[in-house]
Amino acid sequence: QQQVKQSPQSLIVQKGGISIINCAYENTAFDYFPWYQQFPGKGPALLIAIRPDVSEKKEGRFTISFNKSAKQFSLHIMDSQPGDSATYFCAASKENTGTASKLTFGTGTRLQVTL
Amino acid sequence: DAGVTQSPTHLIKTRGQQVTLRCSPKSGHDTVSWYQQALGQGPQFIFQYYEEEERQRGNFPDRFSGHQFPNYSSELNVNALLLGDSALYLCASSWTWNTGELFFGEGSRLTVL
Repeated sequence: QQQVKQSPQSLIVQKGGISIINCAYENTAFDYFPWYQQFPGKGPALLIAIRPDVSEKKEGRFTISFNKSAKQFSLHIMDSQPGDSATYFCAASKENTGTASKLTFGTGTRLQVTL
Repeated sequence: DAGVTQSPTHLIKTRGQQVTLRCSPKSGHDTVSWYQQALGQGPQFIFQYYEEEERQRGNFPDRFSGHQFPNYSSELNVNALLLGDSALYLCASSWTWNTGELFFGEGSRLTVL
Protein backbone atom coordinates (compact mmCIF):
# COMPACT_ATOMS: atom_id res chain seq x y z
CA GLN A 1 0.00 0.00 0.00
CA GLN A 2 2.85 2.36 0.83
CA GLN A 3 5.29 1.12 -1.78
CA VAL A 4 7.02 3.29 -4.37
CA LYS A 5 8.66 1.31 -7.17
CA GLN A 6 11.62 2.85 -9.00
CA SER A 7 13.41 1.86 -12.18
CA PRO A 8 15.99 1.36 -13.52
CA GLN A 9 18.31 0.35 -10.70
CA SER A 10 21.28 1.79 -12.59
CA LEU A 11 21.71 3.94 -15.66
CA ILE A 12 24.67 4.94 -17.81
CA VAL A 13 24.23 7.97 -20.06
CA GLN A 14 26.68 9.81 -22.27
CA LYS A 15 27.42 13.44 -21.59
CA GLY A 16 24.79 15.59 -23.26
CA GLY A 17 22.22 12.80 -23.30
CA ILE A 18 18.86 12.53 -21.56
CA SER A 19 18.55 10.53 -18.33
CA ILE A 20 15.10 9.16 -17.54
CA ILE A 21 14.11 7.57 -14.23
CA ASN A 22 10.65 6.21 -13.58
CA CYS A 23 8.58 5.66 -10.46
CA ALA A 24 5.18 4.15 -9.76
CA TYR A 25 3.13 4.39 -6.58
CA GLU A 26 0.17 2.52 -5.18
CA ASN A 27 -1.32 4.76 -2.52
CA THR A 28 -3.74 7.18 -4.19
CA ALA A 29 -3.65 9.36 -1.07
CA PHE A 30 -0.12 10.49 -1.91
CA ASP A 31 -0.12 14.13 -2.98
CA TYR A 32 3.50 15.23 -2.87
CA PHE A 33 6.20 13.71 -5.08
CA PRO A 34 9.80 14.88 -4.62
CA TRP A 35 13.02 13.68 -6.18
CA TYR A 36 16.19 13.59 -4.12
CA GLN A 37 19.81 13.46 -5.28
CA GLN A 38 22.42 11.76 -3.12
CA PHE A 39 26.18 11.84 -3.60
CA PRO A 40 28.41 9.25 -1.88
CA GLY A 41 28.92 10.08 1.77
CA LYS A 42 26.24 12.76 1.74
CA GLY A 43 22.62 12.94 2.76
CA PRO A 44 19.86 13.21 0.14
CA ALA A 45 19.16 16.72 -1.17
CA LEU A 46 15.87 17.84 -2.66
CA LEU A 47 16.15 18.28 -6.41
CA ILE A 48 12.62 19.03 -7.58
CA ALA A 49 9.09 18.21 -6.45
CA ILE A 50 5.59 18.12 -7.91
CA ARG A 51 2.04 18.04 -6.63
CA PRO A 52 -0.71 16.25 -8.60
CA ASP A 53 -2.48 19.42 -9.73
CA VAL A 54 0.05 19.75 -12.56
CA SER A 55 1.35 17.21 -15.08
CA GLU A 56 4.82 18.62 -15.54
CA LYS A 57 7.30 20.78 -13.67
CA LYS A 58 10.60 22.02 -15.02
CA GLU A 59 13.54 23.52 -13.16
CA GLY A 60 16.58 24.11 -15.31
CA ARG A 61 17.70 20.81 -16.83
CA PHE A 62 15.41 18.78 -14.54
CA THR A 63 11.79 17.98 -15.39
CA ILE A 64 9.20 15.90 -13.54
CA SER A 65 6.39 14.38 -15.61
CA PHE A 66 3.36 13.21 -13.62
CA ASN A 67 0.58 10.86 -14.76
CA LYS A 68 -2.09 10.72 -12.05
CA SER A 69 -4.30 8.14 -13.76
CA ALA A 70 -1.39 5.75 -14.24
CA LYS A 71 0.03 6.54 -10.78
CA GLN A 72 3.43 7.14 -12.33
CA PHE A 73 5.96 9.95 -12.34
CA SER A 74 9.35 10.34 -13.91
CA LEU A 75 12.47 12.48 -13.76
CA HIS A 76 14.12 13.68 -16.95
CA ILE A 77 17.61 15.15 -16.84
CA MET A 78 18.36 17.00 -20.05
CA ASP A 79 21.94 17.57 -21.28
CA SER A 80 23.27 15.20 -18.62
CA GLN A 81 26.67 16.16 -17.18
CA PRO A 82 29.34 14.13 -15.35
CA GLY A 83 28.52 16.18 -12.23
CA ASP A 84 25.01 14.68 -12.33
CA SER A 85 26.50 11.26 -11.51
CA ALA A 86 24.78 10.35 -8.25
CA THR A 87 22.00 8.20 -6.86
CA TYR A 88 18.49 9.53 -7.42
CA PHE A 89 15.51 8.67 -5.24
CA CYS A 90 11.88 9.32 -5.96
CA ALA A 91 9.59 9.68 -2.98
CA ALA A 92 5.96 10.25 -2.13
CA SER A 93 3.95 11.44 0.84
CA LYS A 94 0.50 12.48 1.98
CA GLU A 95 0.76 16.04 3.17
CA ASN A 96 -1.10 16.95 6.36
CA THR A 97 -1.53 20.51 7.51
CA GLY A 98 0.81 21.21 10.39
CA THR A 99 2.77 17.99 10.00
CA ALA A 100 6.03 17.58 8.15
CA SER A 101 6.16 15.10 5.30
CA LYS A 102 6.62 11.41 6.05
CA LEU A 103 8.33 10.31 2.88
CA THR A 104 8.15 6.86 1.30
CA PHE A 105 11.24 6.45 -0.89
CA GLY A 106 11.93 4.35 -3.95
CA THR A 107 14.94 2.05 -3.98
CA GLY A 108 17.14 4.48 -5.92
CA THR A 109 18.77 4.76 -9.34
CA ARG A 110 22.52 5.02 -9.64
CA LEU A 111 23.24 7.35 -12.56
CA GLN A 112 26.63 7.47 -14.23
CA VAL A 113 27.26 10.10 -16.90
CA THR A 114 30.24 9.26 -19.09
CA LEU A 115 32.39 11.62 -21.14
CA ASP B 1 23.64 29.21 8.29
CA ALA B 2 24.49 25.70 9.42
CA GLY B 3 22.49 22.92 7.90
CA VAL B 4 21.47 19.74 9.64
CA THR B 5 24.34 18.35 11.69
CA GLN B 6 24.60 14.79 12.95
CA SER B 7 26.98 13.02 15.30
CA PRO B 8 28.82 10.78 15.38
CA THR B 9 29.57 10.28 11.69
CA HIS B 10 30.69 6.68 12.11
CA LEU B 11 30.46 4.19 14.94
CA ILE B 12 30.88 0.48 15.52
CA LYS B 13 28.90 -1.48 18.10
CA THR B 14 28.43 -5.13 18.94
CA ARG B 15 25.17 -7.05 19.05
CA GLY B 16 23.11 -6.37 22.15
CA GLN B 17 24.62 -2.97 22.82
CA GLN B 18 22.79 0.32 22.82
CA VAL B 19 23.50 3.39 20.69
CA THR B 20 22.51 7.07 20.78
CA LEU B 21 22.70 9.25 17.69
CA ARG B 22 22.32 13.02 17.77
CA CYS B 23 20.92 15.62 15.41
CA SER B 24 20.80 19.41 15.35
CA PRO B 25 18.23 20.75 12.90
CA LYS B 26 18.73 23.54 10.42
CA SER B 27 18.28 26.98 11.95
CA GLY B 28 14.62 27.94 12.06
CA HIS B 29 13.34 24.37 11.79
CA ASP B 30 11.22 22.84 14.54
CA THR B 31 10.54 19.32 13.30
CA VAL B 32 13.00 16.44 13.17
CA SER B 33 12.50 13.16 11.33
CA TRP B 34 14.74 10.10 11.41
CA TYR B 35 15.30 7.69 8.54
CA GLN B 36 17.23 4.43 8.23
CA GLN B 37 19.06 3.80 4.95
CA ALA B 38 20.39 0.29 4.44
CA LEU B 39 23.17 -0.16 1.91
CA GLY B 40 21.83 0.15 -1.63
CA GLN B 41 18.31 1.02 -0.47
CA GLY B 42 16.18 4.09 -0.12
CA PRO B 43 15.72 5.73 3.28
CA GLN B 44 12.94 4.33 5.48
CA PHE B 45 10.99 6.53 7.88
CA ILE B 46 11.53 5.73 11.56
CA PHE B 47 9.72 8.53 13.39
CA GLN B 48 9.19 12.27 13.61
CA TYR B 49 9.34 14.71 16.52
CA TYR B 50 7.62 18.05 16.93
CA GLU B 51 7.13 20.02 20.13
CA GLU B 52 9.14 17.34 21.98
CA GLU B 53 6.60 14.64 21.12
CA GLU B 54 6.65 11.74 18.69
CA ARG B 55 4.11 12.68 16.03
CA GLN B 56 4.42 9.96 13.41
CA ARG B 57 6.09 6.56 13.47
CA GLY B 58 7.09 4.12 10.78
CA ASN B 59 7.22 0.35 10.95
CA PHE B 60 10.08 0.02 13.43
CA PRO B 61 10.12 -1.92 16.72
CA ASP B 62 10.08 -0.33 20.15
CA ARG B 63 13.86 -0.86 20.36
CA PHE B 64 13.98 2.38 18.37
CA SER B 65 13.14 5.39 20.49
CA GLY B 66 13.79 9.07 20.35
CA HIS B 67 13.67 12.37 22.06
CA GLN B 68 13.44 16.02 21.11
CA PHE B 69 14.82 18.77 23.31
CA PRO B 70 13.47 22.31 23.81
CA ASN B 71 16.12 23.64 21.38
CA TYR B 72 14.63 21.29 18.72
CA SER B 73 17.67 19.00 18.63
CA SER B 74 16.94 15.31 18.74
CA GLU B 75 18.36 11.93 19.69
CA LEU B 76 17.72 8.50 18.25
CA ASN B 77 18.28 5.56 20.59
CA VAL B 78 18.47 1.95 19.51
CA ASN B 79 18.55 -0.79 22.18
CA ALA B 80 19.56 -4.44 21.91
CA LEU B 81 21.35 -3.91 18.61
CA LEU B 82 21.00 -6.52 15.88
CA LEU B 83 23.26 -7.10 12.89
CA GLY B 84 20.40 -5.87 10.71
CA ASP B 85 20.50 -2.47 12.38
CA SER B 86 23.70 -1.71 10.46
CA ALA B 87 22.79 1.24 8.25
CA LEU B 88 23.15 4.93 7.62
CA TYR B 89 20.85 6.85 9.96
CA LEU B 90 19.67 10.11 8.50
CA CYS B 91 18.16 13.04 10.31
CA ALA B 92 15.94 15.45 8.39
CA SER B 93 14.61 18.76 9.61
CA SER B 94 11.78 20.96 8.44
CA TRP B 95 9.48 23.72 9.57
CA THR B 96 6.21 22.04 10.33
CA TRP B 97 4.07 24.63 8.55
CA ASN B 98 6.07 24.10 5.36
CA THR B 99 5.13 20.51 4.90
CA GLY B 100 7.15 19.96 1.76
CA GLU B 101 10.90 20.10 1.80
CA LEU B 102 13.00 18.08 4.20
CA PHE B 103 16.65 18.99 4.72
CA PHE B 104 18.82 15.95 5.42
CA GLY B 105 22.07 15.69 7.33
CA GLU B 106 24.97 13.57 6.14
CA GLY B 107 24.03 10.74 8.43
CA SER B 108 25.57 8.52 11.07
CA ARG B 109 26.98 5.26 9.72
CA LEU B 110 26.32 2.49 12.26
CA THR B 111 28.03 -0.87 11.94
CA VAL B 112 26.91 -3.69 14.25
CA LEU B 113 29.33 -6.61 14.60
